Amino acid sequence: DIVMTQTPLSLSVTPGQPASISCKSSQSLLHSDGKTYLYWYLQKPGQPPQLLIYEVSNRFSGVPDRFSGSGSGTDFTLKISRVEAEDVGVYYCMQSIQPALTFGGGTKVEIK
Amino acid sequence: QVQLVQSGAEVKKPGASVKVSCKASGYTFTSYGISWVRQAPGQGLEWMGWISAYNGNTNYAQKLQGRVTMTTDTSTSTAYMELRSLRSDDTAVYYCARDRVAVAGGNFDYWGQGTLVTVSS
Repeated sequence: DIVMTQTPLSLSVTPGQPASISCKSSQSLLHSDGKTYLYWYLQKPGQPPQLLIYEVSNRFSGVPDRFSGSGSGTDFTLKISRVEAEDVGVYYCMQSIQPALTFGGGTKVEIK
Repeated sequence: QVQLVQSGAEVKKPGASVKVSCKASGYTFTSYGISWVRQAPGQGLEWMGWISAYNGNTNYAQKLQGRVTMTTDTSTSTAYMELRSLRSDDTAVYYCARDRVAVAGGNFDYWGQGTLVTVSS
């Protein structure tokens, strides 16, 4: 199975400041169809996860534009340009290039 | 609006089976698949498997092969996940999520509210 490694494990951010989360995969997530199957999810406390970003850099409907995704191959980044209080929770990356889907271990974002 | 509503919490003894339901509404059920994801207490997310609501094709996580069965009832737009031979480490919140119809795509755009399954003697 593809291993997804996220760093850091946790992040404490002052409101209004930027934040960045890294996700590295053990194999390239670039498919022969030209798409890269890397997703980002946010799980707010006590809630199911919610889709933020699909295929590396596409924001899901309703996701604020302060969230952006980038990267290619095996290295990916989720950036929050200006963190707000509602952004607290655990962020997960996930790959679906192989039939066995796998998640990263998660990055907990807190507000200072 | 799209909704996935799951069945209620369960408490099971080791060795027993559990069947969790996920009733879909607000979209054409057979145009999508359903993936199941679980989360042990205080832990991360684990993908369990996927089923196409169109043709019933499935794809299970290897570690659960032989213990898990995913099915759908298109007449009621409901997906089911059955896990057998339960162990204490199966204690988790189980989520269903809408997925692609042809393959387990990972594009989980809508999620159920989660079902807590507790395995304890």
